[in-house]
Amino acid sequence: KAGVTQTPRYLIKTRGQQVTLSCSPISGHRSVSWYQQTPGQGLQFLFEYFSETQRNKGNFPGRFSGRQFSNSRSEMNVSTLELGDSALYLCASSSLGGRGGNEQFFGPGTRLTVL
Amino acid sequence: AQSVAQPEDQVNVAEGNPLTVKCTYSVSGNPYLFWYVQYPNRGLQFLLKYITGDNLVKGSYGFEAEFNKSQTSFHLKKPSALVSDSALYFCAVRDPLSGGYNKLIFGAGTRLAVHP
Repeated sequence: KAGVTQTPRYLIKTRGQQVTLSCSPISGHRSVSWYQQTPGQGLQFLFEYFSETQRNKGNFPGRFSGRQFSNSRSEMNVSTLELGDSALYLCASSSLGGRGGNEQFFGPGTRLTVL
Repeated sequence: AQSVAQPEDQVNVAEGNPLTVKCTYSVSGNPYLFWYVQYPNRGLQFLLKYITGDNLVKGSYGFEAEFNKSQTSFHLKKPSALVSDSALYFCAVRDPLSGGYNKLIFGAGTRLAVHP
């Protein structure tokens, strides 16, 4: 079974631009979560989607948004990029909706650099 | 509020020796606890989880973890370390009463260095 895939793997943008990252979950997984990983803040939860609905959102500004499609693929968008948005963005998928007892499977991440 | 603490930034172990990576947590209800490992330029790989039941949980690659409710700890252990175990290890918690579904709160990570 193929794992979680994320595209692109690397991105370089300049301040003020916007970016869209894509995530394809493991086949059959309906929950997709996004995390931001930086050296200073560590791993921080961005949001989770289940069956095309955002179920939970972390403490990030409104410039960070996402969506999920009917095939469970998800995208996240960051508008008006700032230098501090440079990070590794990780997508994770999980089976069922559950109460969160299922482990999440992570993709390799998208490394975003904002210049 | 939920939180996870990994008190050691780095753990150094000689190959063949036992290893322990420490994790303590704070949640309002009974926690769901997870350990993940991250290799350079890779995403996180799931190692093991505690949801309920036996306090000693066995996971991938010979790792195990012990849930201790009174000490609010979930330390990761392995009887005999390998050089290939060198990586960044993350402890994570989810409070099933928080309504956060699959939202994980991660510790800061502990870098494990296993020396030949």
